[in-house]
Amino acid sequence: KNQVEQSPQSLIILEGKNCTLQCNYTVSPFSNLRWYKQDTGRGPVSLTIMTFSENTKSNGRYTATLDADTKQSSLHITASQLSDSASYICVVSNNNDMRFGAGTRLTVKP
Amino acid sequence: GAGVSQSPRYKVTKRGQDVALRCDPISGHVSLYWYRQALGQGPEFLTYFNYEAQQDKSGLPNDRFSAERPEGSISTLTIQRTEQRDSAMYRCASSLAPATIVRGTSTDTQYFGPGTRLTVL
Repeated sequence: KNQVEQSPQSLIILEGKNCTLQCNYTVSPFSNLRWYKQDTGRGPVSLTIMTFSENTKSNGRYTATLDADTKQSSLHITASQLSDSASYICVVSNNNDMRFGAGTRLTVKP
Repeated sequence: GAGVSQSPRYKVTKRGQDVALRCDPISGHVSLYWYRQALGQGPEFLTYFNYEAQQDKSGLPNDRFSAERPEGSISTLTIQRTEQRDSAMYRCASSLAPATIVRGTSTDTQYFGPGTRLTVL
């Protein structure tokens, strides 16, 4: 059973719009949570890394939030661009391993 | 600057053959990670190194898989007697600081290579 669930599975938005991707997890104990962007045919690129004590972290137009109490994280993308089209993967680590979500496939259309 | 590189980019082999996949991490990066990603699925952690020491290999699927990093830089993932189910994208990543928690869960950023697409016929 996957301990990291992402939603939605896929999302289509118009260029310039904002969107929010969700990641819920049951991984315990919690060490850190990462969001990756993966373009088709390319390797994942790290966007943010958050530990238990951090509840928000930004990287340009990407802002990740973390609620360790409810075990939820979100990735908010502001003013989307065509180049944001990719899969966004949530990865949650405990003290022993990393658990990967299935990803959200984002398509930004002109 | 140069990022993580992997070779070959594509490898097609017949069932039963051995394959060796190479990873060149970013110069100076201490930790190196191997992942496997099947089509349409998320990456699966395999193993990682701090310097030349293999810290955790419990993610390797079975004893046909092995990895080494003899001089703490380039790493080789070897799959012996390949099977069709081994077909996947094999990705390597490196990060500057040593991973201090087992299975590479440090908070340091990992930089991924382009991967090697392995197809076993």
